[in-house]
Amino acid sequence: QVQLQESGPGLVKPSETLSLTCTVSGDSMRNYYWTWTRQSPGTGLEFLGYISYSGRANYMPSLKRRATISVDTSKNQFSLKLYYVTAADTAVYYCGASIEARWLDFWGQGMVVTVSS
Amino acid sequence: EVDLTQSPATLSLSPGERATLSCRASQNVNSYLAWYQQRPGQAPRLLIHDVSSRATGIPARFSGSGSGTDFTLTISSLEPEDAAFYYCQQRSKWPRTFGQGTRLEIK
Repeated sequence: QVQLQESGPGLVKPSETLSLTCTVSGDSMRNYYWTWTRQSPGTGLEFLGYISYSGRANYMPSLKRRATISVDTSKNQFSLKLYYVTAADTAVYYCGASIEARWLDFWGQGMVVTVSS
Repeated sequence: EVDLTQSPATLSLSPGERATLSCRASQNVNSYLAWYQQRPGQAPRLLIHDVSSRATGIPARFSGSGSGTDFTLTISSLEPEDAAFYYCQQRSKWPRTFGQGTRLEIK
């Protein structure tokens, strides 16, 4: 089955850009949509968005165009960039795989990202 | 945005007992509702999708029911490893939203 692993900086300064990468193994990237979800004590679980193998993305409206999800099939990776971060973006970030963009079928182990100066 | 309200916030039961967890939606989500389990220190995992379909590898003691705005996750006979948070999620309306979770404690 598909396996996912998040990577990136665990500490980001306010107003800067959070950049995370998810490396996929165990199955073809063609078979899934690729997702980002985050979890914080204050807001709980939030589905941030997803991207198809072909690169079509959908985002949670409350991100207000601060996010970009991209896919690099040559590297078996997809990425999240979140711009102009604040303390409210501090969370555990999970990458995931979704069959036909329905449910969150598979999850990475999660990565803690703290926004602080 | 669809709000999902889960109850109770915490449930404390003994092994072998039956657990009933509730999820209520602020508007009709049809059958587009799932349940996830999150054990301590782990990522969530998909338990039930489309109200009542068990995900691959999920034991038969987990079942889901409901329609429209009221949904239930039932664990028929609790095992110690069922201690976790349980979250419902809808995909009927964008953005997809989660409930705030129910903590299930096993005595």
